[in-house]
Amino acid sequence: AQRVTQPEKLLSVFKGAPVELKCNYSYSGSPELFWYVQYSRQRLQLLLRHISRESIKGFTADLNKGETSFHLKKPFAQEEDSAMYYCALKRATTDSWGKLQFGSGTQVVVTP
Amino acid sequence: DTGVSQDPRHKITKRGQNVTFRCDPISEHNRLYWYRQTLGQGPEFLTYFQNEAQLEKSRLLSDRFSAERPKGSFSTLEIQRTEQGDSAMYLCASSLKQGLGEQYFGPGTRLTVT
Repeated sequence: AQRVTQPEKLLSVFKGAPVELKCNYSYSGSPELFWYVQYSRQRLQLLLRHISRESIKGFTADLNKGETSFHLKKPFAQEEDSAMYYCALKRATTDSWGKLQFGSGTQVVVTP
Repeated sequence: DTGVSQDPRHKITKRGQNVTFRCDPISEHNRLYWYRQTLGQGPEFLTYFQNEAQLEKSRLLSDRFSAERPKGSFSTLEIQRTEQGDSAMYLCASSLKQGLGEQYFGPGTRLTVT
């Protein structure tokens, strides 16, 4: 069965410090990995996906199939990064549909 | 189009009552998903529609739960004989079949069963 683990429930960092959110997964097939973010009083939204290999709002994430990880990183945290972050997995399919399996989330608090 | 909408945003009901939630996806999206989120957890998949066809259901969706998408547009999720364990946030998401299939989420309906 597929599983997504986010070991940290809460990460508190100072503004300007690096931040890394851990995500590990277990899945026997070929996965697609995502990071979703939920800012206070806003809806869940996609932050980035591994197949795009892009940097969004200064965040990057690299899929490491050997370590089955998809950690999210940002070199210099900003106060507006304070939010709940969810790692999610979807099995790779030819037509892009599929349910998302979410981790339990990591709350990030950036203090000035 | 302001994105995925859900109604109501909050629902308080007594145990044993039936409740129905509505989701209106982004207009051109032919795929629609329902998720449930309890406190301290990430969203959990409940069911999925492509147009009006319900293609997958989670084992979380007991026989008290039913979902429909009668004309391939809006969807409803009904819970019969609610239990306190049904208290959760119910999220709807929609996506396009084409492209990367990004799922766009609605604001959710928060259900409290007393």
